Amino acid sequence: EADIYQTPRYLVIGTGKKITLECSQTMGHDKMYWYQQDPGMELHLIHYSYGVNSTEKGDLSSESTVSRIRTEHFPLTLESARPSHTSQYLCASSARNEKLFFGSGTQLSVL
Amino acid sequence: AQTVTQSQPEMSVQEAETVTLSCTYDTSESDYYLFWYKQPPSRQMILVIRQEAYKQQNATENRFSVNFQKAAKSFSLKISDSQLGDAAMYFCAYRVFNYGGSQGNLIFGKGTKLSVKP
Repeated sequence: EADIYQTPRYLVIGTGKKITLECSQTMGHDKMYWYQQDPGMELHLIHYSYGVNSTEKGDLSSESTVSRIRTEHFPLTLESARPSHTSQYLCASSARNEKLFFGSGTQLSVL
Repeated sequence: AQTVTQSQPEMSVQEAETVTLSCTYDTSESDYYLFWYKQPPSRQMILVIRQEAYKQQNATENRFSVNFQKAAKSFSLKISDSQLGDAAMYFCAYRVFNYGGSQGNLIFGKGTKLSVKP
């Protein structure tokens, strides 16, 4: 079944660690996105990609980086995690009809 | 700059009753999309309903319908015959029609937490 997957679902790490949040979709969508969401707050776009080898920064500044080597895969990396990075990270993809499909999210806690 | 405002941080409805969630937005564009997304607790965000700004007819998806008032820049969501499974955070979102850089990306409101009482 076509879907979008994020791993891990929850992650608790110490300050200074390097982490990668995984996001994969099986729908063949060209466009993929990373959103950051704090509890009870709106989603903020931090990265997006319109296709392989295309990545752009979003509206909210983020110290994370992304890569898009394959259409189905859009990982997000933090080189040195800090407590300020504690948040929920949502991955999404879309086709031409503009509908966004979201993953289940990764809840990141940096101690 | 485009903005999306959801003025109701929390709403509550009795099971089987009807509830309306409000959303207003600000834009100078004439062609755009509007969306309502649902995010149940600790679960995946899903699209509830979508409206194209050029369409005058209000979108409907089963028990979910919208009241789109383009001149007033209002886009409310009505949930009829509310069910316990409707309890979630509801986000209103806007996207300009023309893709290109950050202008083509979704702008979300802060969300409305809906509780459904049995």
